Amino acid sequence: NAGVTQTPKFQVLKTGQSMTLQCAQDMNHNSMYWYRQDPGMGLRLIYYSASEGTTDKGEVPNGYNVSRLNKREFSLRLESAAPSQTSVYFCASSERGDEQFFGPGTRLTVL
Amino acid sequence: QKEVEQNSGPLSVPEGAIASLNCTYSDRGSQSFFWYRQYSGKSPELIMFIYSNGDKEDGRFTAQLNKASQYVSLLIRDSQPSDSATYLCAVTLSSARQLTFGSGTQLTVLP
Repeated sequence: NAGVTQTPKFQVLKTGQSMTLQCAQDMNHNSMYWYRQDPGMGLRLIYYSASEGTTDKGEVPNGYNVSRLNKREFSLRLESAAPSQTSVYFCASSERGDEQFFGPGTRLTVL
Repeated sequence: QKEVEQNSGPLSVPEGAIASLNCTYSDRGSQSFFWYRQYSGKSPELIMFIYSNGDKEDGRFTAQLNKASQYVSLLIRDSQPSDSATYLCAVTLSSARQLTFGSGTQLTVLP
């Protein structure tokens, strides 16, 4: 089992560009999450999907959109990247919403 | 007041000592409590979870929960240099089926 996988691992964007971060899990989990991690800020929830077909905003959703493509895949889209979105992005999955397993992360720099 | 608070550290202990990491939370209805370990440049890894008051032991790790005082702690016995990492406390708040993370405590175990 690969667990939770994320692509790409690294990305550099210019202000205003768009991109999609991909996440997939092979644990048959119902819930999936997108977090961002900034120095001294801990992990902050951007969006989550409690089950296939549903998505909800987290603590910091502005500037992002998500798609729960199927039970395995949950993507995060930046429509018009801003320097404030420079961060490390983690995807996670969970069976019940509490015990969560994380992917390796995407390091995004917006110039 | 943050919903989940941890001392950011850094906390330094000598090899072989007991490291004590603390976390307080504001929501009295919180049900589930987790400790994640995060090595520099890596993703968070679940190491302990606890749901009931008292102690839960797993190898060199002991999680302690006191719901009346609203704190959860992690003890690491016989600390090793390989335990040097940031430890994240996470709590399932009663209002949502999500985890809320503290900002983490950086632990350094000195050889």
